[in-house]
Amino acid sequence: GQNIDQPTEMTATEGAIVQINCTYQTSGFNGLFWYQQHAGEAPTFLSYNVLDGLEEKGRFSSFLSRSKGYSYLLLKELQMKDSASYLCAVMDSNYQLIWGAGTKLIIKP
Amino acid sequence: NAGVTQTPKFRVLKTGQSMTLLCAQDMNHEYMYWYRQDPGMGLRLIHYSVGEGTTAKGEVPDGYNVSRLKKQNFLLGLESAAPSQTSVYFCASSPTEMQPQHFGDGTRLSIL
Repeated sequence: GQNIDQPTEMTATEGAIVQINCTYQTSGFNGLFWYQQHAGEAPTFLSYNVLDGLEEKGRFSSFLSRSKGYSYLLLKELQMKDSASYLCAVMDSNYQLIWGAGTKLIIKP
Repeated sequence: NAGVTQTPKFRVLKTGQSMTLLCAQDMNHEYMYWYRQDPGMGLRLIHYSVGEGTTAKGEVPDGYNVSRLKKQNFLLGLESAAPSQTSVYFCASSPTEMQPQHFGDGTRLSIL
């Protein structure tokens, strides 16, 4: 079966750095997406990785290792507005997204 | 620029009732999707469309029907609502299958 695993909840301090991990087992791989979802709102796109390595976009970076079936989202200089759920999704061989359950990130002052 | 608009935002139904959820996008995207989101689970694909006049089944299609008569609209129907269909429903669209999906604000549906 296809499976995406990510921690259910994480807590971090304002101004700090946090790394949210995602491991996956899917039938085929056509890229990995990270989305942010604030409570009661729609998911919004953060990043896309299809090749191994690090993609940096401002305070957010995303890393991919296809051989390990592993990705992480790195958030730097955390702000209170970063409190949200972070969703990892893998595009399988049928070009459909398989979604993780999301990691709820709580930022404390 | 509205993006993806879903109506209604909230709805309460009784078991056995029917209803249609409407999704409209103004980005001229070919691909449109319907997902449901339940606590503790990832988004699950119900049905999707790769263009006007086409529809296809996703992971959890039973109990739902869809139609895409116009490129900008994607309708999700529940013929006979069941309590197990209580969920938050999200519509999304994308230019191609490989590009990021843009989501609507969701429809919160409760079935009693």
